[in-house]
Amino acid sequence: EPEVTQTPSHQVTQMGQEVILRCVPISNHLYFYWYRQILGQKVEFLVSFYNNEISEKSEIFDDQFSVERPDGSNFTLKIRSTKLEDSAMYFCASSYQAGGYNEQFFGPGTRLTVL
Amino acid sequence: AQRVTQPEKLLSVFKGAPVELKCNYSYSGSPELFWYVQYSRQRLQLLLRHISRESIKGFTADLNKGETSFHLKKPFAQEEDSAMYYCALSPPYSSASKIIFGSGTRLSIRP
Repeated sequence: EPEVTQTPSHQVTQMGQEVILRCVPISNHLYFYWYRQILGQKVEFLVSFYNNEISEKSEIFDDQFSVERPDGSNFTLKIRSTKLEDSAMYFCASSYQAGGYNEQFFGPGTRLTVL
Repeated sequence: AQRVTQPEKLLSVFKGAPVELKCNYSYSGSPELFWYVQYSRQRLQLLLRHISRESIKGFTADLNKGETSFHLKKPFAQEEDSAMYYCALSPPYSSASKIIFGSGTRLSIRP
């Protein structure tokens, strides 16, 4: 059964450094998402992406964040200058169609630790 | 405001006992409602959604629009039900809809 994959599983970085988190969505899916979960808190929506542009973004997704689909398979989240508070689990998700009725499939997550 | 509230951080019941995980939501309109589950060392996965009116692994969830609740129930808990459960909502018609999650309830089934 196809799955969303994410690399790396754990990333440790110094404050102020740039990080790129990578995701490979399910191959025939068209809609892509990033969520994050700070330890002990709820899973929060960051951004949705369709047809090579951002569909919606949350207040968390400020100018330090960007997303890209550099080729036909990868979907990346870049944080330009990491802060301590960016430490969290980052989940990628994908869905075939849009709309709340359509299931989003989640990756296993990347744990980002900012020192 | 769009919000999902799960009042219990932890729920511990004996095997064979009934389970009810509470969920209340705040949304102006009729969102789509879901329960997601995360078993130990596994990814977040959809358990069930309101629109499907389905029962998955013996779990059901009833939407009460008057009380804006979507509680998850199972008549007889099994040890393999131990997991983190998240109630969630999504706007029904939207381009690339976001999911808004509750804070989650950890269900622990005691043998």
